[in-house]
Parts: sequence; C-alpha cells; structure tokens
Amino acid sequence: KQEVTQIPAALSVPEGENLVLNCSFTDSAIYNLQWFRQDPGKGLTSLLLIQSSQREQTSGRLNASLDKSSGRSTLYIAASQPGDSATYLCAVSPGNTPLVFGKGTRLSVIA
Amino acid sequence: EAGVAQSPRYKIIEKRQSVAFWCNPISGHATLYWYQQILGQGPKLLIQFQNNGVVDDSQLPKDRFSAERLKGVDSTLKIQPAKLEDSAVYLCASSLAVTGNEQFFGPGTRLTVL
Repeated sequence: KQEVTQIPAALSVPEGENLVLNCSFTDSAIYNLQWFRQDPGKGLTSLLLIQSSQREQTSGRLNASLDKSSGRSTLYIAASQPGDSATYLCAVSPGNTPLVFGKGTRLSVIA
Repeated sequence: EAGVAQSPRYKIIEKRQSVAFWCNPISGHATLYWYQQILGQGPKLLIQFQNNGVVDDSQLPKDRFSAERLKGVDSTLKIQPAKLEDSAVYLCASSLAVTGNEQFFGPGTRLTVL
C-alpha cells in the first residue's frame, strides 16, 4: 500500500530565505507526482506535476525534483515571501488509481 | 477557462440529518473525484467517476454516503444520516482522463456536524 510522508509537518522561515520541503513515498511504481498548495479554508491549487520519466519541473520561484528510485521528491521555494504562507501537499499517482496524499507541510513566511 | 465549481461552501447540520454537495467539473473533463479532508490530514478519495460510471468507490462508506454523476457532467455527493466524524472538507476534483492526468480541485465544502 502506497504511503506518502512529508517532512517537516510545519516550518517557519523569515522572508527572503530559500527553503526545501520534502516528500517521500514507499512504492516507486508511480505514474506521476503532484505538488499542491492549500490556503486556509480553500481548495487545492496545483503547483507542479512531474511525470515519472522526468527529474524536475520549474515554475517561477518553485522547483520540484523527483527521484523515483529512492522514493523522494523535494519542492524548492526560492526567495520566500509572506504570500507563500500556506500548506503544501505532495501526492503520487500510481497510474489508473487515485492520488495518494501526504499530510502536508504548513509553511509560515515571516515578514 | 472556468475551474471546478462546488456548492455550498459551508454547511452546518445536526447529527443524523442529511446533506448534499454539488460539483461541476471543468468542461470536457471525463474524470471526477470526491475527496474527504479531515483537519490536519491529506485528502482521501471517496469515489471516482469516469464519465457517468464509477471507477473506484472502495473507500466510500456506502451505508451512509452516496454519489451520482448524471449525464457524465455534474455530480452530487450525499450523506444520510450524518455522524460527528463526517465533519471535514469535501473536495471535488476533475481531470481529462483517468490515467496520470493532472487533477484540478474546487474550493471545497466545509461540513460541520454538531
């Protein structure tokens, strides 16, 4: 059974810092991995989708990497801003079965 | 392009009452998902539709939860009767197809059962 773990559970950083969020999964047989952002009381916003054949994806200040063989992904946020404060969720797709989510990392960027 | 629409955004009910949630997916998306997100947890799939057929409902508590997707577009999720532990955010998502496509989520419905 696929399990997804996100570390740390919560993180507080000063504005301007670069930071890394970690995601690990137990079964490397995945189709893709998706990073989401969730603001309090809101739905999920898709940030980056990495196919299993890819090593990384970039969007603006965000960079996500995938090491399928070791069951790990990282989300790198450059030059963090207070507006980046949210919960970041990692989810893996085993293929034709639904996404399996981690519990998320709650990020606070302090001005 | 319009996103996934959900209503209502918030609902408060007493235990043993009934409640229904509505979802309208992105136009052209064949696959629709309902997730339950309990506070502090990641979303958990309740049911997955491909057009108007059920692909996976293995984690749906069928004694109290039901869902339908009429004409392969809109979907309704119902809880009857509600329990205290059903308090959660109910998220609807859609994707172009079943296998490996990016999922897009609606704003969710926050349910509180008193």
